[in-house]
Amino acid sequence: ELKVEQNPLFLSMQEGKNYTIYCNYSTTSDRLYWYRQDPGKSLESLFVLLSNGAVKQEGRLMASLDTKARLSTLHITAAVHDLSATYFCAVDRYGGSQGNLIFGKGTKLSVKP
Amino acid sequence: NAGVTQTPKFRVLKTGQSMTLLCAQDMNHEYMYWYRQDPGMGLRLIHYSVGEGTTAKGEVPDGYNVSRLKKQNFLLGLESAAPSQTSVYFCASSYDWRYGYTFGSGTRLTVV
Repeated sequence: ELKVEQNPLFLSMQEGKNYTIYCNYSTTSDRLYWYRQDPGKSLESLFVLLSNGAVKQEGRLMASLDTKARLSTLHITAAVHDLSATYFCAVDRYGGSQGNLIFGKGTKLSVKP
Repeated sequence: NAGVTQTPKFRVLKTGQSMTLLCAQDMNHEYMYWYRQDPGMGLRLIHYSVGEGTTAKGEVPDGYNVSRLKKQNFLLGLESAAPSQTSVYFCASSYDWRYGYTFGSGTRLTVV
């Protein structure tokens, strides 16, 4: 069975702290996507990781991909309240080009002062 | 530039009724997708299209039909709504998998 597993599913952090969200997947895909969703809103693309060893950073968020371990991480540095949201990772089901994505269940992040 | 527009934004249906959700994109994207989002389940692919006139089944296609008669529009139909189809439906489009996917704002559907 094809799976994308995120952990933790819920994360409560204090402002200023660091933490990592993990995304394990069982497909052979070498592409992985991270999205952010605010409550009641749509999904916003954060990162597109296209190859083994890819690392991308935007502000306090950094994402990496290890296709051999079938693992991606989303690292949060010095968290601020504005980062509170649900974060999803997704991989291509067949590793092809048709965009048939499998999503993880999401990690709900709450950053408290 | 509107991006991906979904209509309606909210709808309440009675069991057995039918309806069509419309997704329109103005970015000339080839690929379009319909997902449903349920609490604690992430997003699951219902149907998708890789170009005008094409459609394909996703992970959870039962109870839904789709059509892509024009490149910019992707319609999702429910012929006989069931309470299990209560969900938030998201449409997405893509020009190329390398650049990710653009999502619409969602349609919240309740079937009573």
